[in-house]
Amino acid sequence: GENVEQHPSTLSVQEGDSAVIKCTYSDSASNYFPWYKQELGKRPQLIIDIRSNVGEKKDQRIAVTLNKTAKHFSLHITETQPEDSAVYFCADEGNYGGSQGNLIFGKGTKLSVKP
Amino acid sequence: GAGVSQTPSNKVTEKGKYVELRCDPISGHTALYWYRQSLGQGPEFLIYFQGTGAADDSGLPNDRFFAVRPEGSVSTLKIQRTERGDSAVYLCASRQFNTGELFFGEGSRLTVL
Repeated sequence: GENVEQHPSTLSVQEGDSAVIKCTYSDSASNYFPWYKQELGKRPQLIIDIRSNVGEKKDQRIAVTLNKTAKHFSLHITETQPEDSAVYFCADEGNYGGSQGNLIFGKGTKLSVKP
Repeated sequence: GAGVSQTPSNKVTEKGKYVELRCDPISGHTALYWYRQSLGQGPEFLIYFQGTGAADDSGLPNDRFFAVRPEGSVSTLKIQRTERGDSAVYLCASRQFNTGELFFGEGSRLTVL
């Protein structure tokens, strides 16, 4: 199966509502979980990350939660704005391929925020 | 330079030809990654270097793909006998050691006709 599964693949919300995107991973040795935002035609850029020794991290309207037991982590965006519209990717740094430091990405969630 | 630089930004080639894609990482970054991104998909891992050596090349799809980083800085992704299915955006990224934020380049868009 996939190393990192991301849901949903598309998400449409009204401006001001919250958006939640979830990812599950398979390697129990994974210790770093970043989230990237990619606007159309642009490069992915880091928006928030969390390490395995922390359960939650918040940065203004964005938060990430991690459940190591269940091997899943989630991105929460509150008070969404039209400029939040983009594709969001989760990633997981595990011991894939026999080497720590390998970052594997989910397939992405296309978020649309309607004004 | 300040960021990860990739050349060419666009490459159109014919089926069966050989192509090279170049990545110049952020100065001082020891870890360098190559990903391939098709339309509507996430970055698909190809290979990652720690210094001059490939720490993990398990994502290279077949032996037509090869990458080098001879001096631990610039990297070249080489694709032999290109096929139409190789068409994608090839993203390079770098970071210090093998931890922390991964910085992406703008990508090289490869089109195989």
